[in-house]
Amino acid sequence: SAVISQKPSRDICQRGTSLTIQCQVDSQVTMMFWYRQQPGQSLTLIATANQGSEATYESGFVIDKFPISRPNLTFSTLTVSNMSPEDSSIYLCSVASFDDTEAFFGQGTRLTVV
Amino acid sequence: KQEVTQIPAALSVPEGENLVLNCSFTDSAIYNLQWFRQDPGKGLTSLLLIQSSQREQTSGRLNASLDKSSGRSTLYIAASQPGDSATYLCAVRQGSWGKLQFGAGTQVVVTP
Repeated sequence: SAVISQKPSRDICQRGTSLTIQCQVDSQVTMMFWYRQQPGQSLTLIATANQGSEATYESGFVIDKFPISRPNLTFSTLTVSNMSPEDSSIYLCSVASFDDTEAFFGQGTRLTVV
Repeated sequence: KQEVTQIPAALSVPEGENLVLNCSFTDSAIYNLQWFRQDPGKGLTSLLLIQSSQREQTSGRLNASLDKSSGRSTLYIAASQPGDSATYLCAVRQGSWGKLQFGAGTQVVVTP
């Protein structure tokens, strides 16, 4: 199994500012995924982060709002830009196992925008 | 488009009872199905993974079945304990590099 560390674990931010969330994995992985979980909702995929290329965004999510970096095979960042209260959610980083079957998740970043 | 539904949305049982959580999906062409546990405000813990070729998986008090043709999976938790209180999520993967489609979850409360 993969061990995923996310930072920060939680934050309270002012509207209009940006927050960068870090995701560190204890082994090299091909793809990393960023999910959002809005209050009382299930998880929705934001984007897939590929090393050496631009992230692939799902419908409804754009790079200007959620820029992603993937500088190497163990690390990725997600930035939530120009935040509004609607961005208050738990943001989760996920990776697949080495054989690309099982998914593992970090502990999430709980973001509150005021 | 794949849609994943979990029933019931919430469940409260006394300690010791068996739990039965249901998950259905509309497109049977899945790669695998995974059950997760989520504690309030926390991330996801993987419980069981069932490949599309398998019928069930077991881990301790947990057993998950998969009927791909009918688009259903069931998670059984035997002899429930208060520590089993959490939200249980099922997610299906259709092969695209680990991308998962989640159900809305079943919130479980086990009372002492």
